[in-house]
Amino acid sequence: DTEVTQTPKHLVMGMTNKKSLKCEQHMGHRAMYWYKQKAKKPPELMFVYSYEKLSINESVPSRFSPECPNSSLLNLHLHALQPEDSALYLCASSPLSQGFAILNTIYFGEGSWLTVV
Amino acid sequence: AQTVTQSQPEMSVQEAETVTLSCTYDTSENNYYLFWYKQPPSRQMILVIRQEAYKQQNATENRFSVNFQKAAKSFSLKISDSQLGDTAMYFCAFMKQQDDKIIFGKGTRLHILP
Repeated sequence: DTEVTQTPKHLVMGMTNKKSLKCEQHMGHRAMYWYKQKAKKPPELMFVYSYEKLSINESVPSRFSPECPNSSLLNLHLHALQPEDSALYLCASSPLSQGFAILNTIYFGEGSWLTVV
Repeated sequence: AQTVTQSQPEMSVQEAETVTLSCTYDTSENNYYLFWYKQPPSRQMILVIRQEAYKQQNATENRFSVNFQKAAKSFSLKISDSQLGDTAMYFCAFMKQQDDKIIFGKGTRLHILP
C-alpha cells in the first residue's frame, strides 16, 4: 500500500481567509513533503519533514506554514494568500531507506487544487 | 549539484507505436536512484518505473522499460504498444541514496494519437 491521502481535493479561498491542507500517510514513512506545482512545470519543493526535523525552502513565503502533529501527518496552513499562489499542491512521503534494504522512493498524493480569489 | 535534463518538451505518437523519452542527468554520486513519473491530466503523480544505479540490469514494468547507461548518465524511458491512456506529462527524476530530496527534470508532454 503506497497511499498518501490529501484533503480537500479542491479549495477556493479569499485573500483574507485562513485555511489548511491536510496530508496523511500510514505507511510508516519517515519523510513527508509539500510541493507546489504550476501548470506544465515540475513540482517545486516547499517543505520536508524528515529525520524528525522540518526543512524549509527559503523561497517559500511565510504565508505558508507547515505543521507536523505526528509522523503520519503534515498539514499546510494557508493565510493571506495571493492569487499567484493558486496551484496544485502535492503532498508526498518517502520511507527513507538505510542502505538497500528498502528502495527509497517518493510517493505522491492526488493533490489539492487551490484557487485564491 | 545534481541536474536532470529532458530535452524533448513535447512528443506525439500514434497509438500502438513505441516511443522513447530521453533523460540525462549530472551527478558525482555513485549510489542513487532514478525514476520516471507520469502525470496525466488528472495531475496525480504516478510512479512508472525506478532504477537503482548499482544495478546494471534495466528495469522493466509491463510495457515500460528503461535504457540505463550509467557511464553516459542517460536514463531513457521506452513505452511499447502505446495506449491513449499513456497521454501525460512524464518527469524524469534523480535521488541520491539516503537523501530525502528528489530532483525533477522539466518534463516531456506525451500525446498518444488515435
